[in-house]
Amino acid sequence: NAGVTQTPKFRVLKTGQSMTLLCAQDMNHEYMYWYRQDPGMGLRLIHYSVGEGTTAKGEVPDGYNVSRLKKQNFLLGLESAAPSQTSVYFCASSYAGGNEQFFGPGTRLTVL
Amino acid sequence: AQSVTQPDIHITVSEGASLELRCNYSYGATPYLFWYVQSPGQGLQLLLKYFSGDTLVQGIKGFEAEFKRSQSSFNLRKPSVHWSDAAEYFCAVAYNTDKLIFGTGTRLQVFP
Repeated sequence: NAGVTQTPKFRVLKTGQSMTLLCAQDMNHEYMYWYRQDPGMGLRLIHYSVGEGTTAKGEVPDGYNVSRLKKQNFLLGLESAAPSQTSVYFCASSYAGGNEQFFGPGTRLTVL
Repeated sequence: AQSVTQPDIHITVSEGASLELRCNYSYGATPYLFWYVQSPGQGLQLLLKYFSGDTLVQGIKGFEAEFKRSQSSFNLRKPSVHWSDAAEYFCAVAYNTDKLIFGTGTRLQVFP
């Protein structure tokens, strides 16, 4: 089992460009999450999903959109990237809400 | 508001010394409690978790944590630190919701 995988691992964007980050899990988990990690701020929840076809806003959703068309995949989109979105993005999944989350290796995004 | 506090941003210990990382949570109800570790450039890995029962919880890599309801604390301990324990440690809580709330992390540095 690969667990939680994230694509790509690194990306550099120019301001205004768009991109999609892909998260995939092979554990048949219902819940999936997208976080961003910035120095001194811990992990902040962007969006999450409690099952296929559902999405919900987290703590810092502005500037991001998500989709969960398949149970195993959770996509994070940036429509018009801004330098403030320079961060490390982590995806996680869980078999139940409020329970142990399994994390991917992260995507380091730089917006110039 | 529900929150998690890790009072120590950075801790330095000598190899072989004991370690205690502090975590305090707000709110009256007992949440689910977690400790995660993040090595440089990696995702988060679960060290241990507390849901109910015995208040002293054993985890991986020789770590343990003790839940103290009276102090709203869930401190992480290790009797003898190894150089490979140098990493960032995150405490997280869940209050009967779909989400975890993460602390801002404690960076552990280990000197030989």
